[in-house]
Amino acid sequence: EPEVTQTPSHQVTQMGQEVILRCVPISNHLYFYWYRQILGQKVEFLVSFYNNEISEKSEIFDDQFSVERPDGSNFTLKIRSTKLEDSAMYFCASSDGGGPQETQYFGPGTRLLVL
Amino acid sequence: AQSVSQHNHHVILSEAASLELGCNYSYGGTVNLFWYVQYPGQHLQLLLKYFSGDPLVKGIKGFEAEFIKSKFSFNLRKPSVQWSDTAEYFCAATLAGTYKYIFGTGTRLKVLA
Repeated sequence: EPEVTQTPSHQVTQMGQEVILRCVPISNHLYFYWYRQILGQKVEFLVSFYNNEISEKSEIFDDQFSVERPDGSNFTLKIRSTKLEDSAMYFCASSDGGGPQETQYFGPGTRLLVL
Repeated sequence: AQSVSQHNHHVILSEAASLELGCNYSYGGTVNLFWYVQYPGQHLQLLLKYFSGDPLVKGIKGFEAEFIKSKFSFNLRKPSVQWSDTAEYFCAATLAGTYKYIFGTGTRLKVLA
């Protein structure tokens, strides 16, 4: 069964450094998402992406964050200058169609630790 | 603001016990509701979802959930749990016109053999 994959599984970085989290969505999916879960808190939506554009973003997704689909398979989340509070598990997801009834398929997550 | 609540944060059951995990949402309009499960070391997987029709939804692995609009609830049930059901269970909702899932805090279920 096709799965969403994410790399790396763990990343440790220094405050102020740039990080890029990578995701390979399911191959025929067209809609892509990033979520994060700070330890002990809820999974929170960050951004959705379709047709090379951001379709929706949360208030968390400020100018420090960006997303890109650099080629036909990868979907990346870049944090330009990491802060301590960016430490979290970051989940990528993808779906075949768009809209509120679509099932989103999640990757295993990247645990980011900012020191 | 719209939110999803899961009031049971940790549940411990013995094998063969019945399970009911609570999920409530706060939104008066049309909602779509999902239950996901995350087994240890694995990714979130869809158990079931509801967006219209029969309010009793059957999912994979013997799980079911009932949408009760008057109670703003979508509780997950299983008549007899197994040790392999040990996992974290997440309720989520989407609203009309939006892509984003709104998640509850999750419930950690431990089933004792």
